[in-house]
Amino acid sequence: QKEVEQNSGPLSVPEGAIASLNCTYSDRGSQSFFWYRQYSGKSPELIMFIYSNGDKEDGRFTAQLNKASQYVSLLIRDSQPSDSATYLCAVTSGSARQLTFGSGTQLTVLP
Amino acid sequence: GAVVSQHPSRVICKSGTSVKIECRSLDFQATTMFWYRQFPKQSLMLMATSNEGSKATYEQGVEKDKFLINHASLTLSTLTVTSAHPEDSSFYICSARGASGTYNEQFFGPGTRLTVL
Repeated sequence: QKEVEQNSGPLSVPEGAIASLNCTYSDRGSQSFFWYRQYSGKSPELIMFIYSNGDKEDGRFTAQLNKASQYVSLLIRDSQPSDSATYLCAVTSGSARQLTFGSGTQLTVLP
Repeated sequence: GAVVSQHPSRVICKSGTSVKIECRSLDFQATTMFWYRQFPKQSLMLMATSNEGSKATYEQGVEKDKFLINHASLTLSTLTVTSAHPEDSSFYICSARGASGTYNEQFFGPGTRLTVL
């Protein structure tokens, strides 16, 4: 059973702070790692993907991957109220390269 | 990113009727399309994977005779919920992946909210 685990939250941070979202996965053969943001009632939108160990930065977002620890995280700097959403970690593995989603972490950025 | 559309965005139907949901990739050819279902406050659950011109591969526990998937072209896949019942009420989301997706990126449609009365 391939699993992706996230802390469901809710996670609350004040505006301007750094939000840290964490994710672990069980399949060591996982190939690519994604962070999606989902607003209530909407479908997920891709924020970032990462496939090699280390950090990857894109604007206010930084994804971190540690394959040895089977851990991936997302940091959101200068958090804004508009960042309030559910953040989904997703992992691909296997020949079909299907996405397996975590249960999501609900983030609230307080003004 | 690439654009994926779904139609309809919302549908309400009576128990026992069938509902068809369309998923289209608007600006790229989707060699693979995925259908997900999401119940309130839960994550996305993959229902099936379909490759153009092939039969869909269903996840364990998903009834292939109830959820009919057709992926007849590189830009269109359809999901038909046959004889829908209230427990089928959910948010159905498709995603599409093109052949050139180096990092397995999937682009999601806006979703279809199905309510079965």
